[in-house]
Amino acid sequence: EVQLLESGGGLVQPGGYLRLSCTASGFAFTNFAMNWVRQAPGKGLEWIAAVSGSGATYHADSVKGRFTISRDNSKNTLYLQMNTLTTDDTAVYYCAKDLGPGRSGFDYWGQGSLVIVSS
Amino acid sequence: SYELTQPPSVSVSPGQTARITCSGDELPKKYAYWYQQKSGQAPVLVIYEDFKRPSGIPERFSASSSGTVATLIISGALVEDDADYYCYSTDTVGHRVFGGGTKLTVL
Repeated sequence: EVQLLESGGGLVQPGGYLRLSCTASGFAFTNFAMNWVRQAPGKGLEWIAAVSGSGATYHADSVKGRFTISRDNSKNTLYLQMNTLTTDDTAVYYCAKDLGPGRSGFDYWGQGSLVIVSS
Repeated sequence: SYELTQPPSVSVSPGQTARITCSGDELPKKYAYWYQQKSGQAPVLVIYEDFKRPSGIPERFSASSSGTVATLIISGALVEDDADYYCYSTDTVGHRVFGGGTKLTVL
């Protein structure tokens, strides 16, 4: 059974930083690109970053230069380093697995990790 | 930047067919995907690669794609289908985009 478990969310002050983790199980982690998708309170879904199985990274313009996606295939873990946080970054952050090698779309999602940026 | 456009809301009575559209210039060349999200829950994939249905998704969920418009179709909608629905696709340079979401009310 595929499972994605996020951790690391919480309350942080504006200008602060946070690192989210997503531990994966139930599939060959190395073979799949992984993503972070966020959802601000009462808003829609926003894709923010992806990393291929080999480590190539892609970031949405809204977070480029502030957020960094990475992965440790030896630990089956996905990360999101978030720096210089603003109140606009307040959201539930989901990790999501790509459908397949070379196939976009997300077939499994974590339960989400809430990040609140507030003074 | 690439955008996918959905209607903010659609409303049907139980047993009726609900249709939710998603417009995007790259849809003739790129697959559309559809997600269902119920309140307080993570999204669930209900359609992938334009019209394919994952295992476990009821047959009343189907989809079509023609030109720049993809359509999610829920035949004989149930009260339990009341949820937000998001389309998703990519553009030709690999940017990944969600539509703004459609609130489906089945009442």
